[in-house]
Order: sequence, then structure tokens, then C-alpha cells
Amino acid sequence: NAGVTQTPKFRVLKTGQSMTLLCAQDMNHEYMYWYRQDPGMGLRLIHYSVGEGTTAKGEVPDGYNVSRLKKQNFLLGLESAAPSQTSVYFCASSYSRGTPYGYTFGSGTRLTVV
Amino acid sequence: AQKITQTQPGMFVQEKEAVTLDCTYDTSDPSYGLFWYKQPSSGEMIFLIYQGSYDQQNATEGRYSLNFQKARKSANLVISASQLGDSAMYFCAMRESTGNQFYFGTGTSLTVIP
Repeated sequence: NAGVTQTPKFRVLKTGQSMTLLCAQDMNHEYMYWYRQDPGMGLRLIHYSVGEGTTAKGEVPDGYNVSRLKKQNFLLGLESAAPSQTSVYFCASSYSRGTPYGYTFGSGTRLTVV
Repeated sequence: AQKITQTQPGMFVQEKEAVTLDCTYDTSDPSYGLFWYKQPSSGEMIFLIYQGSYDQQNATEGRYSLNFQKARKSANLVISASQLGDSAMYFCAMRESTGNQFYFGTGTSLTVIP
């Protein structure tokens, strides 16, 4: 089915380890986003991309890096994981800028840092 | 200032009754879109309904309707004839025409009681 695919779905990391979360979309969307969801705080934007080769910081970018080498993929990296990065991570994509265009979300990645 | 405010952390409703979930927003952009998403316990984010700032009529999608009061900057979600499957977290979100991202509220947890 067309949509946004996130891998992995679950991961447990030790403090200081690194990992990369992959987001792939097959809808030819220009815009892609990484959010984290924490209890009582809604979804907070980490980084986003408005096109291949571009990235920008969101509300909570510290401790994360991203890359968008191909239009369909948006990678989120944690170089040295910390317990504060325990969260559920959502990737989303959007056709374009503009008010009618909603997000298509991935199914989420539950990350625990111990 | 919060762009999206959801003041009801948790709500209960009797099955088959109607329920209103509150959402207020803050923007100076005359063109914007308002969205509601449902997040069941399985974790995925499901798009429910969209309202554009210039739309003359309130949006409706099946049992969902959006009570849009522009002057009050409110965009409340009304669910009619609640079903057990409506038990979930509900997020209000806004997208401005001048911005690249959505702003999310902190969510309302709805429980439908049999």
C-alpha cells in the first residue's frame, strides 16, 4: 500500500549508542518531517525537509541529525543516545506547502534508551 | 504562545451520545488550515477532518464535524453517536499558509463508556 513506512518499529538502545531511523514514502511528496511524541506534550517537530538535499531544524533538534539524499527517504540519526530521547518517533510527509495539504504519517518508532 | 491549545486532557462519553472536543488556535496568518487526527491505542495517526480558514461552511465527514468559530479562533471537533471504537487520543493541528509545518495540540484522550 502507498504511504509512509518507518523502520524499525521498536528499538532499545544503551546510553551512548547510535542509530538511524529510516522513513520512506512512495507518494512523491516534497515535504518530510520527523516528530517526537511524549506524554502530555503532543507532537514536537525535530527536523524537516522541503525537498531532496534540504533539511531544516524544528522545535527540538538537539541531539539529532537528518539527511534527505533521495526524495523518497528521510533519515533521522541519533549519534549518542540519551535517556531523554526515549520517545515515540513519527515521520510524516506532505505533498506541498499550503493549507489544504495534510500529513500522511508513518506508524511510529518506539525508542527506549536505557 | 501556544499555537494550538487543547484544554481537555481526558473526556468520557456514553456510547451513542455526542461529544465535543475543544481546540483553540493562535495565528496572525489570514490563510490557514485546521486538522483533527485520531490516535488509537495502536499508535497510528489517522486524519479525520479538515477546515480551511476561508471555508464558509463547517466541515463534516460522516460522524465527525468541525465547529469552526473564526472570531473566537476555535475549531472544536464534534463526534456524533459515539462508538466504542472512538476511544482514542485526538489531536488538533494547524498549518499556516506561510509556514512549512503543522502545529499540534497536546491532545485529548476520549473514552467511550458502554
